[in-house]
Amino acid sequence: DQQVKQNSPSLSVQEGRISILNCDYTNSMFDYFLWYKKYPAEGPTFLISISSIKDKNEDGRFTVFLNKSAKHLSLHIVPSQPGDSAVYFCAALHRQGAQKLVFGQGTRLTINP
Amino acid sequence: DVKVTQSSRYLVKRTGEKVFLECVQDMDHENMFWYRQDPGLGLRLIYFSYDVKMKEKGDIPEGYSVSREKKERFSLILESASTNQTSMYLCASSLVDFGVNTEAFFGQGTRLTVV
Repeated sequence: DQQVKQNSPSLSVQEGRISILNCDYTNSMFDYFLWYKKYPAEGPTFLISISSIKDKNEDGRFTVFLNKSAKHLSLHIVPSQPGDSAVYFCAALHRQGAQKLVFGQGTRLTINP
Repeated sequence: DVKVTQSSRYLVKRTGEKVFLECVQDMDHENMFWYRQDPGLGLRLIYFSYDVKMKEKGDIPEGYSVSREKKERFSLILESASTNQTSMYLCASSLVDFGVNTEAFFGQGTRLTVV
């Protein structure tokens, strides 16, 4: 039972344009969400997070949007740069519960020059 | 600078061997996690520990066990390695208090090949 789903295995975007990565979750107890970026043969690195009391969080070129009623979140990267090419994972947990951090399958983002 | 260190970057083991993957964090974090990453499947949680000697099964615990005798160290044990355990293994740690921009920190990963 995949509680966090990233339905797009890959995404290709032109340099300078907006990249939008999507994530859906099924467990309504999740109240904290994170996005990670991963290069091959390295551990994931944290990008941005959002708690369920907010619907938007912004950090530089990265913005995460949360739609609780739809159980959906998205990561926007503007403008996209070649160094953004990587695999992006969304993750979720229930802060007051067991705090098992659950990840999606990942989306491979390619930024074309 | 925060650090999660995994003992090996690459390992090759034979089928049936007992394999130990070690992870050490220097941030005094309560939570520690072990994941495996496989193409198309993302990061799947194997085991999770929220305190010394405390552990919980993740989504795919079969064939694995863990040990947390000290707060900073979390070991993943493959009791009898099999070829379907060939994967990238990732360790992470975090505080229990997930506030604004709190994250789980990851190690660099161990690429395990079972032959």
